[in-house]
Amino acid sequence: DTAVSQTPKYLVTQMGNDKSIKCEQNLGHDTMYWYKQDSKKFLKIMFSYNNKELIINETVPNRFSPKSPDKAHLNLHINSLELGDSAVYFCASSQDDRSVETQYFGPGTRLLVL
Amino acid sequence: AQKVTQAQTEISVVEKEDVTLDCVYETRDTTYYLFWYKQPPSGELVFLIRRNSFDEQNEISGRYSWNFQKSTSSFNFTITASQVVDSAVYFCALSEARYTGNQFYFGTGTSLTVIP
Repeated sequence: DTAVSQTPKYLVTQMGNDKSIKCEQNLGHDTMYWYKQDSKKFLKIMFSYNNKELIINETVPNRFSPKSPDKAHLNLHINSLELGDSAVYFCASSQDDRSVETQYFGPGTRLLVL
Repeated sequence: AQKVTQAQTEISVVEKEDVTLDCVYETRDTTYYLFWYKQPPSGELVFLIRRNSFDEQNEISGRYSWNFQKSTSSFNFTITASQVVDSAVYFCALSEARYTGNQFYFGTGTSLTVIP
């Protein structure tokens, strides 16, 4: 059974387009996250939501907008895509937002902006 | 400043050799948590272990073992009798209790190649 799933797995698009990545978790967790992994494999948190409320918002261009319709879903919408947005985007979830909680990651979405 | 340092960028070993991946962290908190994740060539991130700052016991799970030493702020990971399936990028991460939101700080990863 899939715990944290993301769609699509691959996304190839032109500069300037708008795209969305969807994330769903069936673990019953309260907290969800978006991470960006760059070409050097560096993982950096972008956003975190707890019970649909935004709690972490790192320095990310406002072209990136997360939306959490319910606790089990956290989607990422990206406007006016740029070449530098090419990366792997990971969704993750944890039981709650305490630092003791392990984060479980989705399979990643590989975004390529041409 | 980088909170988690994985100084070894790439390591290659021959199958059946033992290998240790280093992780050094930096925090002012007394309560914090350390994690290791594995990212195989297929790309997903797989959780391996969590350790809290109050538990310095070493842990062994099959061929994997972890050595946590607060005195040197290190949380090293050893694979015994390495296998080709161990080839992956391994990440160490830190979470600090004083911050809300469970923000993980990841190291830059160590790419391990096990040669058959």
